[in-house]
Amino acid sequence: NAGVTQTPKFRVLKTGQSMTLLCAQDMNHEYMYWYRQDPGMGLRLIHYSVGEGTTAKGEVPDGYNVSRLKKQNFLLGLESAAPSQTSVYFCASKTSGDYNEQFFGPGTRLTVL
Amino acid sequence: AQSVTQPDIHITVSEGASLELRCNYSYGATPYLFWYVQSPGQGLQLLLKYFSGDTLVQGIKGFEAEFKRSQSSFNLRKPSVHWSDAAEYFCAVVLNSGYSTLTFGKGTMLLVSP
Repeated sequence: NAGVTQTPKFRVLKTGQSMTLLCAQDMNHEYMYWYRQDPGMGLRLIHYSVGEGTTAKGEVPDGYNVSRLKKQNFLLGLESAAPSQTSVYFCASKTSGDYNEQFFGPGTRLTVL
Repeated sequence: AQSVTQPDIHITVSEGASLELRCNYSYGATPYLFWYVQSPGQGLQLLLKYFSGDTLVQGIKGFEAEFKRSQSSFNLRKPSVHWSDAAEYFCAVVLNSGYSTLTFGKGTMLLVSP
């Protein structure tokens, strides 16, 4: 079991460029989440999905889009990157039930110049 | 709205000493509470969780936490800290029941001195 994996691990973009971050999980989890982590801010929820084909906005969704075409994958897109999107991005997944933990990937460090 | 407060940004503890990391939450009903740990350059790992029952919960790596409804707190403790415990610790509460979205505190960085 690989758990939750994220691709790529590091990326540098120029302002205005686009990219997609891939999250994959092999635990057959229904729920998946994208967070960003900034110094002193903790983790903030960007978007989430409670099943294949469904997505919803979190706390900080502006500038991001997501898709969940397959149950095991959750993609995070930046259409036109901005320096404010420089951050570490984490994906997580879980089974249904509020008492069940979220399992986190190792993160993607993104720098936008 | 629900929120989570971790009052201490940094804490330094001597190796072998006891540890308590504070977490306060605001929520009307009994919350689902979690403590996660993040080692440098790593993702988050669950230490323990609480959702009902015994208010003292045991976790991995020798950690425990106590839920105190009267104080709206869920403090993390460890009787004897090891150098490998140096990491950032996050308290979190379920924000949206049904979708299980989490609200995280801003984290407490634990430094362990020799």
